[in-house]
Amino acid sequence: GENVEQHPSTLSVQEGDSAVIKCTYSDSASNYFPWYKQELGKGPQLIIDIRSNVGEKKDQRIAVTLNKTAKHFSLHITETQPEDSAVYFCAARAPYGSGNTGKLIFGQGTTLQVKP
Amino acid sequence: DAGVTQSPTHLIKTRGQQVTLRCSPKSGHDTVSWYQQALGQGPQFIFQYYEEEERQRGNFPDRFSGHQFPNYSSELNVNALLLGDSALYLCASSLRGNSYNSPLHFGNGTRLTVT
Repeated sequence: GENVEQHPSTLSVQEGDSAVIKCTYSDSASNYFPWYKQELGKGPQLIIDIRSNVGEKKDQRIAVTLNKTAKHFSLHITETQPEDSAVYFCAARAPYGSGNTGKLIFGQGTTLQVKP
Repeated sequence: DAGVTQSPTHLIKTRGQQVTLRCSPKSGHDTVSWYQQALGQGPQFIFQYYEEEERQRGNFPDRFSGHQFPNYSSELNVNALLLGDSALYLCASSLRGNSYNSPLHFGNGTRLTVT
C-alpha cells in the first residue's frame, strides 16, 4: 500500500550547520510533496512544497529536492538556528481521481535539535 | 485572516463514551480533512469533506463519522471510544474550487485522552 519512509528519526546539529532529512515514497503516481514543521503543542505548519514537474525548490534557508526515478525527496535547511528545532514531517499526495481526492500520506517525522 | 481553528483544545473521556470535535476552516477554504496523530507518529488521514459530503475515507472504522455544514465548518464524531483512540486530532482545510493543487493548512488540534 501507500507508504512514506522518513529518515533520520532524530537529528542533532550545531547552530549554523546544515540539516538534511530524507523521505522515500512507494506510490509512483504521487505528484505533490509538502514538508511540515510541528512545534510542541501546535499543529503542522507548511514550510515548503514541491510538485513532480520540478526537481528543486528553494525558499531562503530551506530547499527541497525531488528524484522521481528513485522516488525520494529531501529537505535541506542551511545555517540552522535554535528556532528551527521542531519535528519535521514529509508527506506525499497522489493525483486526484480513482477515488483519491487529496489525502496526504505522512512520514514518521524527524525531531531536529539545533544546539546553540 | 483567521487560520484553521479547532475546539476544544483538550478533552478527557471515558472508554465507551462518544465525543464531538469541531473545526472552522481557514477563511476562503471550502474543504476540510481530519487526521489522527498518535504520540510520536505522523498524522493519519481519517476522511475529507467537500460540499457537505464525505469524499474520501482512510482506514478508520465506522465509529468515526463526520459532518460538514453549509458554512464549511466541520465536526468529527467518535462513538464507543477505545483507549487506542487517545491521540491529537487535527483538522486541515484547503480550497478545492477549480484547482486540486491547494496546500493543506492545519489547526493546532484537539488532544483527546480516553481513560
